[in-house]
Amino acid sequence: EAGVAQSPRYKIIEKRQSVAFWCNPISGHATLYWYQQILGQGPKLLIQFQNNGVVDDSQLPKDRFSAERLKGVDSTLKIQPAKLEDSAVYLCASSSNSGTRGSYEQYFGPGTRLTVT
Amino acid sequence: AQSVTQLDSHVSVSEGTPVLLRCNYSSSYSPSLFWYVQHPNKGLQLLLKYTSAATLVKGINGFEAEFKKSETSFHLTKPSAHMSDAAEYFCVVRLAGSARQLTFGSGTQLTVLP
Repeated sequence: EAGVAQSPRYKIIEKRQSVAFWCNPISGHATLYWYQQILGQGPKLLIQFQNNGVVDDSQLPKDRFSAERLKGVDSTLKIQPAKLEDSAVYLCASSSNSGTRGSYEQYFGPGTRLTVT
Repeated sequence: AQSVTQLDSHVSVSEGTPVLLRCNYSSSYSPSLFWYVQHPNKGLQLLLKYTSAATLVKGINGFEAEFKKSETSFHLTKPSAHMSDAAEYFCVVRLAGSARQLTFGSGTQLTVLP
């Protein structure tokens, strides 16, 4: 079974530029998550999708971050304009809706390392 | 609110000696708890999970963790460290309800010395 795919793996941009990240979840996984992991910290959830609908985006800085999952499969996360503090690894994860309570395991992609200069 | 606290940001052990990574949780409900491992430039991988079944949970690569409600702890252990265990380890709690969201601890960096 193919894992969660993300691209690009690395990106360097200047502040005030825009950037987009792409994620393709495991086939058949209805739930998709975007996390931000700042160096030295644990991942923090930015947004959660169920199929093509947003379940929770309470921690997404909506003035500069946006995300979509139009067909309920792959997803893009965009930052416009970027700030220095956006330098982080952006992780995508997916999970299925099946399984017993508590067993909705999230599978993570390798992440995109963003450096804003 | 639910949260986890990893008590050590860095742990260093010698190869072949036991590993102990400490985690305390805070939850109003019976929590689901997980340990994830992150090797450099690789994705997070699930080591093990506790979901209200047996309190001693066995995971991959010889790791195990014990859920202790009285101590609100979920410490990760391994009898004998291997060089390949060097990585960042995250204790994670899953929020109650249908959202199934994960809240990560701040991580423990494990160094294994030869």
